[in-house]
Amino acid sequence: GAGVSQTPSNKVTEKGKYVELRCDPISGHTALYWYRQSLGQGPEFLIYFQGTGAADDSGLPNDRFFAVRPEGSVSTLKIQRTERGDSAVYLCASSPSSAMGTGELFFGEGSRLTVL
Amino acid sequence: AQRVTQPEKLLSVFKGAPVELKCNYSYSGSPELFWYVQYSRQRLQLLLRHISRESIKGFTADLNKGETSFHLKKPFAQEEDSAMYYCALPKRYQLIWGAGTKLIIKP
Repeated sequence: GAGVSQTPSNKVTEKGKYVELRCDPISGHTALYWYRQSLGQGPEFLIYFQGTGAADDSGLPNDRFFAVRPEGSVSTLKIQRTERGDSAVYLCASSPSSAMGTGELFFGEGSRLTVL
Repeated sequence: AQRVTQPEKLLSVFKGAPVELKCNYSYSGSPELFWYVQYSRQRLQLLLRHISRESIKGFTADLNKGETSFHLKKPFAQEEDSAMYYCALPKRYQLIWGAGTKLIIKP
């Protein structure tokens, strides 16, 4: 595809349920990032992958959150025992390499998660 | 701690008027800073970076280390500039983001 693809675009779930959010980055991009954006706030870093490995997971808020990227392409963000406070837009971004030199991240449209 | 502050949640100006979106940062060292933009129903995208000293869509931003600011400016606003604007600062592998400013250009 031409850009970063995220599915689902919208997810409504009940408190306590398990959720998976998927990100398909731009082909050839080795770096992949997950951010979370709450209403009225800027994106908040969750985790960064370089290839298959999580190079920095310091932004994951607690052990209910986990992310994988087993083949170095598609990534899945997994949230266990969801809480109402997890409601947010989850953004995925990719870049050709660790892009902090250029600062250019290519974002998906986001997955809006609502926990009732 | 590294931090980015965008003091205005909303800025509304008339078409043709000058625009200045404020961004202040806290960082020890020589920062690189970026402006991202999100137009209605579109994804977040890079607008410009200070290191390239470029003008994109008529916007410029100058890094002022004395005032720790990186304000985004445009001399004559256009209706298509209406969007959310975010200032961002790299920290290792991540970007630290401001809360964003919603810019509305009135006809």
